[in-house]
Amino acid sequence: GENVGLHLPTLSVQEGDNSIINCAYSNSASDYFIWYKQESGKGPQFIIDIRSNMDKRQGQRVTVLLNKTVKHLSLQIAATQPGDSAVYFCAEIINQAGTALIFGKGTTLSVSS
Amino acid sequence: DTAVSQTPKYLVTQMGNDKSIKCEQNLGHDTMYWYKQDSKKFLKIMFSYNNKELIINETVPNRFSPKSPDKAHLNLHINSLELGDSAVYFCASSQRDATQYFGPGTRLLVL
Repeated sequence: GENVGLHLPTLSVQEGDNSIINCAYSNSASDYFIWYKQESGKGPQFIIDIRSNMDKRQGQRVTVLLNKTVKHLSLQIAATQPGDSAVYFCAEIINQAGTALIFGKGTTLSVSS
Repeated sequence: DTAVSQTPKYLVTQMGNDKSIKCEQNLGHDTMYWYKQDSKKFLKIMFSYNNKELIINETVPNRFSPKSPDKAHLNLHINSLELGDSAVYFCASSQRDATQYFGPGTRLLVL
């Protein structure tokens, strides 16, 4: 199924801008969310995660926001760089027993110089 | 020192053939997965193994048979390949904290 989806299939930004990639999920039982980055010809790479008992988590240049009321997840990338160009996926896990990830459709981020 | 490795990276074969894809992880994880990514980039779980035991099998045809000789390896064997099997197959592994690490993918093209 496609419980986790993304609002926009593509996003184009200028280098140095901030990027926001959105994701909506439908399963209120989801308790763990992860953002992955997939560059062309490579496997998905872990960026940042957040558990359902949190509403914000920050990493290096990235922030994930979780709004459980509207079942919305976003990834913010500060000072976007050309190397950030990739497909970004949000994924959810419903429980922690080694359950597989349920992926959304992905947003292609293009960064121009 | 690759964490999750897959072989081969590319696989081109004729319809009806049988092929295998190998996966190895050196992270000491106890759970391994196979995902399929279609031409529209959608990623979907196929199988999950925990300590060599199958724990997830998502409506995958019987032609697909995973085999885990030990917890560091999860191989995928595909019988009687069909055109619709063309995709990129990713192996992943995780420990109980659920952060999954993916391999580089195997690009399968069935002609």
